[in-house]
Formats: sequence, C-alpha cells, structure tokens
Amino acid sequence: DGGITQSPKYLFRKEGQNVTLSCEQNLNHDAMYWYRQDPGQGLRLIYYSQIVNDFQKGDIAEGYSVSREKKESFPLTVTSAQKNPTAFYLCASGPQGPQPQHFGDGTRLSIL
Amino acid sequence: GQQVMQIPQYQHVQEGEDFTTYCNSSTTLSNIQWYKQRPGGHPVFLIQLVKSGEVKKQKRLTFQFGEAKKNSSLHITATQTTDVGTYFCARGSNYQLIWGAGTKLIIKP
Repeated sequence: DGGITQSPKYLFRKEGQNVTLSCEQNLNHDAMYWYRQDPGQGLRLIYYSQIVNDFQKGDIAEGYSVSREKKESFPLTVTSAQKNPTAFYLCASGPQGPQPQHFGDGTRLSIL
Repeated sequence: GQQVMQIPQYQHVQEGEDFTTYCNSSTTLSNIQWYKQRPGGHPVFLIQLVKSGEVKKQKRLTFQFGEAKKNSSLHITATQTTDVGTYFCARGSNYQLIWGAGTKLIIKP
C-alpha cells in the first residue's frame, strides 16, 4: 500500500533542543516537500527537494534543516534557532515540477 | 506577483445550500490545482486544471479555469456534512506550488 509516512504524530520540544521529524515515501516520487501550517492558516513551504542529494530553501527555511540522502526519505530538523516551532508540519511528495502532491498525515510539534 | 488570492476566508452554509470559493491571480497561471483538507487532516488533491476555459466535474463539485487563465473557482452543489473542511487552490511555479490561504466551509447546525 503506497503512501507517505510521517512520524511521530505528536512531538514535544524542550527549549534549546533540536528535534527531527521523519518523512518516508514509497511512491517512487522524485520530489519531496516540507510545509508548516499554523492554526487556521494556509501552507508555507520550508524546504523542497527535486532529486536525491539536492534541496532548496522555501519561504520560511530559517531555523530548519533537511537532508535528502535517499529518494524515499526527507527528514526535517527543527533547530533551537526556530523560536516559534509550534505548528503542524506536513510532508508531501510528487513527480518533479509543480505537479499534484501527495501528503502524509502530519506531525504536530509543541514546546514544553 | 506570484501569489494567489483566495476568497472568501470562511463560508457558512446550511446543509443543502451551495458553496463557492474563488482563486485569483494577477498573472497568467500555467495550471491550478485544488485540494481539500478535512479538520485535523492533511490536504488531499482533488483536481488539476490546465486549459483556458476548462470545466471539470466530480459528482457535486464543479471546477472552472478562467478564459484568461487568471482565475479559478470550485463550486459545490447541495453541500453535505462530508464536505466540511478547508479548500485550497495552488498554482504551479517552477518546481513548487504557490498556495492560496484556503476557504473554510462550515455547515450551520
């Protein structure tokens, strides 16, 4: 059963701590994306990757980092530099280019 | 210049009434995509429009792309409780999508 798996579903971060959100897909998609969604708001692009070992900053990359060592995986690290990390984080994948995207179930991150 | 303006932000309807959300751009769109996000859920792709004047239907949902390819609309006929959620449009731009702010469909009790 193909899809995107995000984990964990809920995550709590302490002050000064880095946390990593997992995103794995078995759809054989080249492109992967990370979005942030605040309550009642739209989607803001954090980072995206069109191909393995390459990624680009989105609109709100400050305080975040990513890696794309494998086609299937695109983990997102929320660093301590991100002062307001509480949000719903969504990972998506799709064919290269501005094609329809398939989303995971998301991770809700809160500050302890 | 690349943003898409989506209106209204909210729409309250009685069950059985119609619902429409609009997506507008100041520049020509290469394509427009529509997604639905249920409360607490993730966006789900509904449809992509690419041709000028295109109209596509999915049961009670009708999607339109303007003749000038600068606007699009999603119309739901006779809303049901299962239609509740936020509807987003997104325009293709290089290697990413530019998202509208969404229209939240609320069914009045």
